[in-house]
Amino acid sequence: EPEVTQTPSHQVTQMGQEVILRCVPISNHLYFYWYRQILGQKVEFLVSFYNNEISEKSEIFDDQFSVERPDGSNFTLKIRSTKLEDSAMYFCASILAGPPAGELFFGEGSRLTVL
Amino acid sequence: AQSVTQLGSHVSVSEGALVLLRCNYSSSVPPYLFWYVQYPNQGLQLLLKYTTGATLVKGINGFEAEFKKSETSFHLTKPSAHMSDAAEYFCAVTQAAGNKLTFGGGTRVLVKP
Repeated sequence: EPEVTQTPSHQVTQMGQEVILRCVPISNHLYFYWYRQILGQKVEFLVSFYNNEISEKSEIFDDQFSVERPDGSNFTLKIRSTKLEDSAMYFCASILAGPPAGELFFGEGSRLTVL
Repeated sequence: AQSVTQLGSHVSVSEGALVLLRCNYSSSVPPYLFWYVQYPNQGLQLLLKYTTGATLVKGINGFEAEFKKSETSFHLTKPSAHMSDAAEYFCAVTQAAGNKLTFGGGTRVLVKP
């Protein structure tokens, strides 16, 4: 069964360091997303990406965050200068087609710990 | 705007008993509604979804949910809990204009033998 894969599964970094989280969406999917879940809190939308550009972003997704699809298969989330409050589980997701709602496939997440 | 409220952050049920997880939503347009399950140290797996048509939706692992527009609810049920149902369950909503999901706060289910 096709799946969304994410690396690393866990990353520990120092405050102020840059972090890149990687995702390989399902190969024929067209829409890509990043969500995050701070420990004990709800899953929050960060950004959606379609046709090589951001289609929507939340207020959480500030200038410290960026996304890229560098090679047609990977989908990356970069945090330029990490803060303690960036510690969370980050989920990548993809979907074949856009509206109306189809099934969003989630990866297993990348846990980021900022010290 | 859209939002989701899940009543009860923790639910404890006995094995074999009914599982009932409550979800209420608000949406300015007809919603599409989802239930996801998250097992420990895993990602989110779709249990079931409502888009259009029949309001009683059946999903995987014996779960079902009913969309009630008048009550703005989408409660999740399973007639008989199994130990393997211990997990966290998230209700989510999206609107027809896009696929951005808004999640509820989650309900952690504990199944007692």
